[in-house]
Amino acid sequence: QVRLVESGGDVVQPGRSLRLSCKASGFMFSHFAMHWIRQAPGKGPQWVAFISSDGSDTYYTDSVKGRFIISRDNSKNTLDLEMNFLTPEDTALYYCARDYQPNEVLVLPEFDPRGQGALVTVS
Amino acid sequence: IVLTQSPAILSLSPGERATLSCRASLSVDKFLAWYQQKVGQPPRLLIYDISFRATGTPARFSGSGSGTDFTLTISSLEPEDFAVYYCHQRRSWPPVTFGGGTKVE
Repeated sequence: QVRLVESGGDVVQPGRSLRLSCKASGFMFSHFAMHWIRQAPGKGPQWVAFISSDGSDTYYTDSVKGRFIISRDNSKNTLDLEMNFLTPEDTALYYCARDYQPNEVLVLPEFDPRGQGALVTVS
Repeated sequence: IVLTQSPAILSLSPGERATLSCRASLSVDKFLAWYQQKVGQPPRLLIYDISFRATGTPARFSGSGSGTDFTLTISSLEPEDFAVYYCHQRRSWPPVTFGGGTKVE
């Protein structure tokens, strides 16, 4: 079954960098666009970044543009999020999610129901 | 596009009907989805494109609406339906946006 396992969360000081990873299994990773979504404590989800199935297209929410970089390695079934110049407003649980259907760009994140996310605390 | 959900909290009993609202600041055409989130879990896609149930979504969940006003209806609440529900739009992106949520308690 579909598994998305996030890692790399940590406590970091403002201005520092952190790299999150997501290991995918149970589906044809290279056929799906992927997303990073974050959720600050007690808040709703916030979409952060998108990458197309082949990695050629990336999009970001304005608050992270120029600071975060989404990337993927289809040979290793991994999705990364490099986060630079972190601020306290970046504190959140970060989830990776796949797009709902393969070989399309639907921009409909679908989460692993067993996903734990990666907790990033900037303080 | 800003999504505004109401009410913030909906207090109901099992077996009752739940009606949740989502209003968009601009038309989102058909590109409105609903997610359910339980404590300690990531969101789960329930409904997309206004009224299409995602894989595994029970038939008691239905979506309706058009343009800027949308509704998620749960026909008869089951114990496992008590959760927070978010609407989501992909009509105009980036960014994809979520509403502020309605807690069904």
